Amino acid sequence: DTGVSQDPRHKITKRGQNVTFRCDPISEHNRLYWYRQTLGQGPEFLTYFQNEAQLEKSRLLSDRFSAERPKGSFSTLEIQRTEQGDSAMYLCASSPYTAFFGQGTRLTVV
Amino acid sequence: RKEVEQDPGPFNVPEGATVAFNCTYSNSASQSFFWYRQDCRKEPKLLMSVYSSGNEDGRFTAQLNRASQYISLLIRDSKLSDSATYLCVVSDSGGYQKVTFGTGTKLQVIP
Repeated sequence: DTGVSQDPRHKITKRGQNVTFRCDPISEHNRLYWYRQTLGQGPEFLTYFQNEAQLEKSRLLSDRFSAERPKGSFSTLEIQRTEQGDSAMYLCASSPYTAFFGQGTRLTVV
Repeated sequence: RKEVEQDPGPFNVPEGATVAFNCTYSNSASQSFFWYRQDCRKEPKLLMSVYSSGNEDGRFTAQLNRASQYISLLIRDSKLSDSATYLCVVSDSGGYQKVTFGTGTKLQVIP
């Protein structure tokens, strides 16, 4: 499969725990995006990488959120001290011109 | 005012019907426009880019009206498989860079 891959697909965690998600983009795509989507809403932009450089972060990305793309290939999104409001689908996309999305990681904070 | 606004629907239409969705955007400097389709509990997938001159892909036609700041999607001869949420996406630069999604319009095609 040469599409965008996200892992895990589902994550259930207790409030206060840290979680980390991984995204493997399409190999030749240098742009990588993270979005968050809640039920009935469109995806909300979180952050954007051009190769390994994090070029933009949404104000939605509080200091509990951090994203990395250390070698310009895969990316990780970490949420520290999770809260129930963090429950959502976290989508990764990669792009040359138009974006291709992974299947997402569904996070449930209990 | 939201940056990108869509009627959330749902639009319930019979098979074979023609249905149209509009999407309005607030940033007059927006440059690139897309329609994405999202099936329930799945990731969004690109349906089509929207060009200034309008463009067509089979039963789907997309149009852009820069003066009124809206884009539209027309689906002719609706199929049951067209049932999904259609997301309007607006970028303030050429290509897919800083983009904003609408909340989506839900379409249900009824037998």
